[in-house]
Amino acid sequence: SQTIHQWPATLVQPVGSPLSLECTVEGTSNPNLYWYRQAAGRGLQLLFYSVGIGQISSEVPQNLSASRPQDRQFILSSKKLLLSDSGFYLCAGGRNTEAFFGQGTRLTVV
Amino acid sequence: AQTVTQSQPEMSVQEAETVTLSCTYDTSESDYYLFWYKQPPSRQMILVIRQEAYKQQNATENRFSVNFQKAAKSFSLKISDSQLGDAAMYFCACPRGIYGGSQGNLIFGKGTKLSVKP
Repeated sequence: SQTIHQWPATLVQPVGSPLSLECTVEGTSNPNLYWYRQAAGRGLQLLFYSVGIGQISSEVPQNLSASRPQDRQFILSSKKLLLSDSGFYLCAGGRNTEAFFGQGTRLTVV
Repeated sequence: AQTVTQSQPEMSVQEAETVTLSCTYDTSESDYYLFWYKQPPSRQMILVIRQEAYKQQNATENRFSVNFQKAAKSFSLKISDSQLGDAAMYFCACPRGIYGGSQGNLIFGKGTKLSVKP
């Protein structure tokens, strides 16, 4: 079965510090990969998606970037975090009609 | 543009009873899938059920079923024999468009918080 591994589960970072969240996929090859953000009490907002190694599409302008250095690895980064970057970040893989999600990272920027 | 609307921010149901969560959507795609996801307190998104738009038969997964009205663009979730473990946020989702309903590029509603009373 397809599994998304995402870490860390919780992260507290000061404003202006860098960020790196990693996501890896098991059980499938060449998946589409996604980074979603969920603000408190709201649905999921798509941030980035990737259809293959080195291919990144951004859905919304922001302080974040994404990279896909390997087929099953998807990284969300920031050079300098803002308070508004706080939220719950979910990595997802898509294959054969559905999205399967990792367990998420709760990021608090202080 | 594709949109998903869940008009019930919160719902409550008595254990063992039935509850229906509403969802309406708008998409320009002709062939697509629709999804209901459950997000328990652990926050991981879990697929509950999916519906293929070209199938007239409503999808069913154990105690979960949908009422899919394609012309009305309505996709409600019915939970029968509600259990305490069903308490969670429920999100309706439809495809973003360019992928035609596959591969995880989804638009989500804002969710419905379901409480189950013992």
